[in-house]
Amino acid sequence: IAGITQAPTSQILAAGRRMTLRCTQDMRHNAMYWYRQDLGLGLRLIHYSNTAGTTGKGEVPDGYSVSRANTDDFPLTLASAVPSQTSVYFCASSDQASGDPDTQYFGPGTRLTVL
Amino acid sequence: KQEVTQIPAALSVPEGENLVLNCSFTDSAIYNLQWFRQDPGKGLTSLLLIQSSQREQTSGRLNASLDKSSGRSTLYIAASQPGDSATYLCAVNDYKLSFGAGTTVTVRA
Repeated sequence: IAGITQAPTSQILAAGRRMTLRCTQDMRHNAMYWYRQDLGLGLRLIHYSNTAGTTGKGEVPDGYSVSRANTDDFPLTLASAVPSQTSVYFCASSDQASGDPDTQYFGPGTRLTVL
Repeated sequence: KQEVTQIPAALSVPEGENLVLNCSFTDSAIYNLQWFRQDPGKGLTSLLLIQSSQREQTSGRLNASLDKSSGRSTLYIAASQPGDSATYLCAVNDYKLSFGAGTTVTVRA
């Protein structure tokens, strides 16, 4: 069982380019999340999805979009990247139908640099 | 807006010493609080989750306490080892997780 996988591991991107960060989980968790982690700021929630077919905005959603076509995949898209989106991006999931609904499991992260 | 603060930002101790990591939050209306460990270049691993009705949780050498009314949690790591070197983050859940910036711990052999 891989848990959560993210791709790519790292990416350098020119400003203005479109980029999709991929996230796949094999735990059949209903809820998934995208965070960004910046030095000194901790993790901030970008978007979330409580179940396939639904998404919601987190604390810092501007410039990002997500989709949840199925249970396993939760891609994050930057339509037109800007340097302030340089960050480490983490995908996470949780099983809200289990006896431990609040524990989130994290992927290894994607390090994105926008020049 | 929930604000989560972790002090100190970094800590260096000799092996064997007990570690005390602090977390404070501004809004006490929380469901639970979690402590995570993050190794360099890696994702987060959940260590302990304390429900709002609980005062503490223990797992091996780790003990986390929660004082919801004062907006504080403390993570104790007994008899620290070099393998405990990592960044420790706390996160409070008040319908979403709000994270502190973390405390980076170095345990010197």
